[in-house]
Amino acid sequence: KNQVEQSPQSLIILEGKNCTLQCNYTVSPFSNLRWYKQDTGRGPVSLTIMTFSENTKSNGRYTATLDADTKQSSLHITASQLSDSASYICVVSWNYGGSQGNLIFGKGTKLSVKP
Amino acid sequence: NAGVTQTPKFQVLKTGQSMTLQCAQDMNHEYMSWYRQDPGMGLRLIHYSVGAGITDQGEVPNGYNVSRSTTEDFPLRLLSAAPSQTSVYFCASSWIPGGDTEAFFGQGTRLTVV
Repeated sequence: KNQVEQSPQSLIILEGKNCTLQCNYTVSPFSNLRWYKQDTGRGPVSLTIMTFSENTKSNGRYTATLDADTKQSSLHITASQLSDSASYICVVSWNYGGSQGNLIFGKGTKLSVKP
Repeated sequence: NAGVTQTPKFQVLKTGQSMTLQCAQDMNHEYMSWYRQDPGMGLRLIHYSVGAGITDQGEVPNGYNVSRSTTEDFPLRLLSAAPSQTSVYFCASSWIPGGDTEAFFGQGTRLTVV
């Protein structure tokens, strides 16, 4: 069964600290992996998209890594800010029906950054 | 650009009532979809459309109808609301389904069925 598992479920860190969020997936065939940020009461916003051949991709203080062999991804946040408090969702795209992709969503990691 | 616009933001329905959740995008995206987000669960696909006049079911389609008469609009209809449909609903659009292109989400509609 296609699944996306994220850990930890929740995380509290102090402002200025770094953190790493984990994502494991069992989606096949794999198309790409995305990380989204979802602020409370808002829709998800894309941070990164990585294809099979990409090992790392950065977006400002956010750096995502992908190991397609072990089917693992991580999202590293550097020098956290209060505005980083949000849920971070790992999403894997797979090819269904040959021509149409589909998105499998993880449950998210809820990050709280404290002053 | 407005991106993806959903209305209303909040709605309370009584069991058995019907309503339509509106979704409009101004990016000329072919692919649009509806998801529901429930506590402790990832977003789940309800219905999707790959272009005007073409719709298909996702993972949890029961109790919902959709239509796609124009590229811009993709309304979601609840036929007879049930408490199990209490959820936050998100509409999304992208150039192509699941491809290496960004999916844009609306702000969400929080629906409560009593």
